[in-house]
Amino acid sequence: NAGVTQTPKFQVLKTGQSMTLQCAQDMNHNSMYWYRQDPGMGLRLIYYSASEGTTDKGEVPNGYNVSRLNKREFSLRLESAAPSQTSVYFCASSEALNTGFFGAFFGQGTRLTVV
Amino acid sequence: QKEVEQDPGPLSVPEGAIVSLNCTYSNSAFQYFMWYRQYSRKGPELLMYTYSSGNKEDGRFTAQVDKSSKYISLFIRDSQPSDSATYLCAMSEANTGFQKLVFGTGTRLLVSP
Repeated sequence: NAGVTQTPKFQVLKTGQSMTLQCAQDMNHNSMYWYRQDPGMGLRLIYYSASEGTTDKGEVPNGYNVSRLNKREFSLRLESAAPSQTSVYFCASSEALNTGFFGAFFGQGTRLTVV
Repeated sequence: QKEVEQDPGPLSVPEGAIVSLNCTYSNSAFQYFMWYRQYSRKGPELLMYTYSSGNKEDGRFTAQVDKSSKYISLFIRDSQPSDSATYLCAMSEANTGFQKLVFGTGTRLLVSP
């Protein structure tokens, strides 16, 4: 049971380069999320997709775009990377609260360094 | 002021100790409370969740919610070196159809043999 799978696991970019972080979940969850984790800042929500076909901005969306490709896949794109985007990125998925299942399930993370 | 506050630690304890980890929050609309464990260089792993107030026990772990004080706790009994990790609290409002979680910054726990 793979759960939430993120690719790549590590990436180094030069300032101004673009890249897409991929995420797929096999738990048939409706909702998917992208977080970034920085020392002393905790996990901050970048974008989320409450259900297939919808996406919304989270707390720190500037410099990012997302695509909910289908129910399984949710990608995060950096169009022009900046050093401030150096971070660990986590994808997560969850069911709706009214299903009785609480909590989001996370992937293993992508460590991104922008030089 | 952050919506969720958590002491970053590190909290160092000897093996076998009882550990108390805590979070405070300011948003009275939070109804769902979760604790995650995160090992170094890994993704957060859901440990426990509770709805509204009260206690919940799962093995060596007990989660408590005091909504009147806007305070939640995670107790770990008979702590083990394998419990050494960062513990994150997370919360969600009840009126969202999906789980838009707000996280604390995490407390690093070190359990020495």
